[in-house]
Amino acid sequence: DAKTTQPPSMDCAEGRAANLPCNHSTISGNEYVYWYRQIHSQGPQYIIHGLKNNETNEMASLIITEDRKSSTLILPHATLRDTAVYYCIVRVANAGNNRKLIWGLGTSLAVNP
Amino acid sequence: DTAVSQTPKYLVTQMGNDKSIKCEQNLGHDTMYWYKQDSKKFLKIMFSYNNKELIINETVPNRFSPKSPDKAHLNLHINSLELGDSAVYFCASSYGQGVTEAFFGQGTRLTVV
Repeated sequence: DAKTTQPPSMDCAEGRAANLPCNHSTISGNEYVYWYRQIHSQGPQYIIHGLKNNETNEMASLIITEDRKSSTLILPHATLRDTAVYYCIVRVANAGNNRKLIWGLGTSLAVNP
Repeated sequence: DTAVSQTPKYLVTQMGNDKSIKCEQNLGHDTMYWYKQDSKKFLKIMFSYNNKELIINETVPNRFSPKSPDKAHLNLHINSLELGDSAVYFCASSYGQGVTEAFFGQGTRLTVV
């Protein structure tokens, strides 16, 4: 089962910041938060990941609360091409120190002109 | 240059047939994956290989048999196809099994009729 909770859908105006929330209240201390997105009919695309500190790259920023129970993905200037399903995922440790990503249903972000 | 390529992109076949999906990555990664995305858009891992060795094998019917001839290829063979096998299958790859980003292929849409 997925260990994250995201709103099923969000809207954002083009050019504005898109703030996508994610709850992961049962996250443990050594689990990372990953964000991927899936544009219609394409494979998922990695965006960013983090453990405790806020992270920024050329695509987005990731803000993780101090208690690590929630995070927010920020797309600073959303464009129409950012319309996609955004997945917040917690990395789970599996037997034998192997790891897998457990995917939820994500947030369907619609960027409107 | 396509990083992770899958063939075919579309596959329509009758129940009971046997089919294969091929995946190749040119990123030099040592870990490859197969995921299944069902009609409700849940993305679930099926298998993971690291340097040609099976490391994750989720609860998948044994009609599904992955084969990794080398670390750049991970093929998926499906015997006795059933209607419930209809889904989009994604191949992915990454460096190692730890905190790394995974690169996904464009998916193979399998329809069993």
